Amino acid sequence: NAGVTQTPKFRVLKTGQSMTLLCAQDMNHEYMYWYRQDPGMGLRLIHYSVGEGTTAKGEVPDGYNVSRLKKQNFLLGLESAAPSQTSVYFCASSYDGLAKNIQYFGAGTRLSVL
Amino acid sequence: GESVGLHLPTLSVQEGDNSIINCAYSNSASDYFIWYKQESGKGPQFIIDIRSNMDKRQGQRVTVLLNKTVKHLSLQIAATQPGDSAVYFCAENSGYSTLTFGKGTMLLVSP
Repeated sequence: NAGVTQTPKFRVLKTGQSMTLLCAQDMNHEYMYWYRQDPGMGLRLIHYSVGEGTTAKGEVPDGYNVSRLKKQNFLLGLESAAPSQTSVYFCASSYDGLAKNIQYFGAGTRLSVL
Repeated sequence: GESVGLHLPTLSVQEGDNSIINCAYSNSASDYFIWYKQESGKGPQFIIDIRSNMDKRQGQRVTVLLNKTVKHLSLQIAATQPGDSAVYFCAENSGYSTLTFGKGTMLLVSP
């Protein structure tokens, strides 16, 4: 019973490089989310999706793009990485994003941009 | 693992004590609230939730209290154990299918 799986777990990038973070969930959830977590800042929403083929901006979307081509996968892309994007990234999914939005989280991706 | 606790409010308790973690929320229109636990190097884990039409909800060793008048939420943990050491986040339903998370409180339990 995997739940929410994030790959990779760790990554080091040089400034200007690009990468894609993959999130996969096996719970048939409609809603998926990408957050970043910085020390003392809590979780900040980057982008989210309310269903296959949809995406929407969160609180801190600049410098990131997302795609939800399949219901079970939600991809987060960094086109040109910057040191300010050094963070821990969490993906989450939820069955009901409206009345009872319990989000289930992956283990995180730790990204360093040098 | 990564330190998410830098500059966080910290509550230190002895094993066996009861712990109370507080959270102030911002939106008086929020109708749903969740508490999460995050251990070092792991993702947040759901603990308990409460709707705005309730003022108290109990789980196993945990109780959430909601005071809508002052927009305050608290998480009570009974007989705190070393395994309860973690960062605790409250979150409110901010509409548009999203949650807004607080900055968290670190709970340290000493044996």
